[in-house]
Amino acid sequence: DAKTTQPPSMDCAEGRAANLPCNHSTISGNEYVYWYRQIHSQGPQYIIHGLKNNETNEMASLIITEDRKSSTLILPHATLRDTAVYYCIVRPLSSGSARQLTFGSGTQLTVLP
Amino acid sequence: NAGVTQTPKFQVLKTGQSMTLQCAQDMNHNSMYWYRQDPGMGLRLIYYSASEGTTDKGEVPNGYNVSRLNKREFSLRLESAAPSQTSVYFCASSTRTSGYNEQFFGPGTRLTVL
Repeated sequence: DAKTTQPPSMDCAEGRAANLPCNHSTISGNEYVYWYRQIHSQGPQYIIHGLKNNETNEMASLIITEDRKSSTLILPHATLRDTAVYYCIVRPLSSGSARQLTFGSGTQLTVLP
Repeated sequence: NAGVTQTPKFQVLKTGQSMTLQCAQDMNHNSMYWYRQDPGMGLRLIYYSASEGTTDKGEVPNGYNVSRLNKREFSLRLESAAPSQTSVYFCASSTRTSGYNEQFFGPGTRLTVL
């Protein structure tokens, strides 16, 4: 699976958009970009995934560059409850057998009041 | 739906003791996983079960055994606990029927080995 690079920490003002970057310059054509987050002391939570098109769901938007070497997770109106560690993970689509998630160290997002 | 449940929530063991961590899911998922998370670190896969009746080693399997008891339940056993196994243990499940593999995580078991 491709390696990812994320900043270790970021701050964001409450109510503003939080933009979390991720570099995955060695991504291959069949690998998806997944984002999970982990609120303190809880299990990780799936946020969103994408291949090459931008994606949006009720939690966030995912913007993937045209060359697919980087992506940005956008939380449009951050709240204090969005304070968490955010993990960017790159892996192939499940091929019929279980594929584990490889978690790096992620980005600690702190939403400030 | 309760999702993924884990028991116990907390456990303290002495070196050499054994114990089993329990995990159950009610989402009819085929695949289940055990991860450990050490302080300040990301999660690392211990074992996984792609489907009922199968188990495979992950990144850090040494010192652990697993049992996929049925489709719902996947247990993790420490035969002889060591201080290096002090960690938070997360169970997860996912379905193979969809094209991608979103994993759902339990709340974790916080294990301390003295």
